[in-house]
Amino acid sequence: KNQVEQSPQSLIILEGKNCTLQCNYTVSPFSNLRWYKQDTGRGPVSLTIMTFSENTKSNGRYTATLDADTKQSSLHITASQLSDSASYICVVSYTAKAGTALIFGKGTTLSVSS
Amino acid sequence: SQTIHQWPATLVQPVGSPLSLECTVEGTSNPNLYWYRQAAGRGLQLLFYSVGIGQISSEVPQNLSASRPQDRQFILSSKKLLLSDSGFYLCAWMEARASGANVLTFGAGSRLTVL
Repeated sequence: KNQVEQSPQSLIILEGKNCTLQCNYTVSPFSNLRWYKQDTGRGPVSLTIMTFSENTKSNGRYTATLDADTKQSSLHITASQLSDSASYICVVSYTAKAGTALIFGKGTTLSVSS
Repeated sequence: SQTIHQWPATLVQPVGSPLSLECTVEGTSNPNLYWYRQAAGRGLQLLFYSVGIGQISSEVPQNLSASRPQDRQFILSSKKLLLSDSGFYLCAWMEARASGANVLTFGAGSRLTVL
């Protein structure tokens, strides 16, 4: 069964600290993996998208890694800021008969405090 | 550039009343369109998707329906709302090309509260 599991469910860190969010998936055949940031009450916004051949991709203070062998991805946030407080959602896509299908994780809620 | 508009942003409706949420996309043609619902503390649930005008696929049986009267317009409706329809509804679009790097772009969301 195609699934995406994210951990931890929630996380509280102090401003300026680093953190790493995890995403494990059992989606096949894998097409790509995306990380989204969703501020409270807003729609998700894409941070990174990684295909099978990419191991690392950065977007400012956000760095995503992908290990296609172990089917794991991580999102590392460096020098966290209060504005990083949000839900981070891992989305894995695969090619189905009807086209591209997406499996969403339930997200990790990050709270950055001062 | 492409933009997606979704409205209304917030809606409070009594049980049994009708619903209409609208979504439009600009700057692209023949996009794939999606309606998702996000319940509190839960992940995104795909409700409907459309690959073209008049083509609607339903992912879960429910009290809602969707329509695509124009290429870049996607509407989520209900004839009679239930309490369980409360939630955060998100419209999204993606280019309809067979690429491994398609990005799903979301609207700002519509918060529906059914009382």
